[in-house]
Amino acid sequence: NAGVTQTPKFQVLKTGQSMTLQCAQDMNHEYMSWYRQDPGMGLRLIHYSVGAGITDQGEVPNGYNVSRSTTEDFPLRLLSAAPSQTSVYFCASSYSSSYEKLFFGSGTQLSVL
Amino acid sequence: RKEVEQDPGPFNVPEGATVAFNCTYSNSASQSFFWYRQDCRKEPKLLMSVYSSGNEDGRFTAQLNRASQYISLLIRDSKLSDSATYLCVVNRADTGNQFYFGTGTSLTVIP
Repeated sequence: NAGVTQTPKFQVLKTGQSMTLQCAQDMNHEYMSWYRQDPGMGLRLIHYSVGAGITDQGEVPNGYNVSRSTTEDFPLRLLSAAPSQTSVYFCASSYSSSYEKLFFGSGTQLSVL
Repeated sequence: RKEVEQDPGPFNVPEGATVAFNCTYSNSASQSFFWYRQDCRKEPKLLMSVYSSGNEDGRFTAQLNRASQYISLLIRDSKLSDSATYLCVVNRADTGNQFYFGTGTSLTVIP
């Protein structure tokens, strides 16, 4: 059982470049989400989705886009990378959004130069 | 004010010691509560959910005080393998069931 698969593990971008972080889960989870983790800040929610075709903004959505065309996939797009987006990114999913535990991907270390 | 606040530590304790972590949350609409464990540069993993009556899982005991908006985690008989960062997490019903994470408390268990 693969769980939550997140790629790439590491990425270096130049300011202004765009890229997509991939996230896929094989557990038929309705809820998927993206977080960023910065030192001293804890994990902060970027965007989330409660089902295919439904997305919403979290705490820090600026500079990121998401889409949910299938239950399995929830890619995160950086439109024009900035140094402030240097962070560790985690994708997470759960069966529903309230009392269920979150399953996390292994994370992406992103550096924007 | 942060949604979830934790003492970042670090806590350095000898093997076999008992250690307690505390966490406070700011919003009374918080409806569910968790402790996650995160090893260095790895993804967080659920340690345990926290129930109103308190709950125990082996050496780990979690308590919730809704009146004081306070959550605790007690680890008894600490093992070297308990060394990690412990994240306090709450879920709020009034914000689309979003999860809010504390910054984590660092624990190192010393031989």
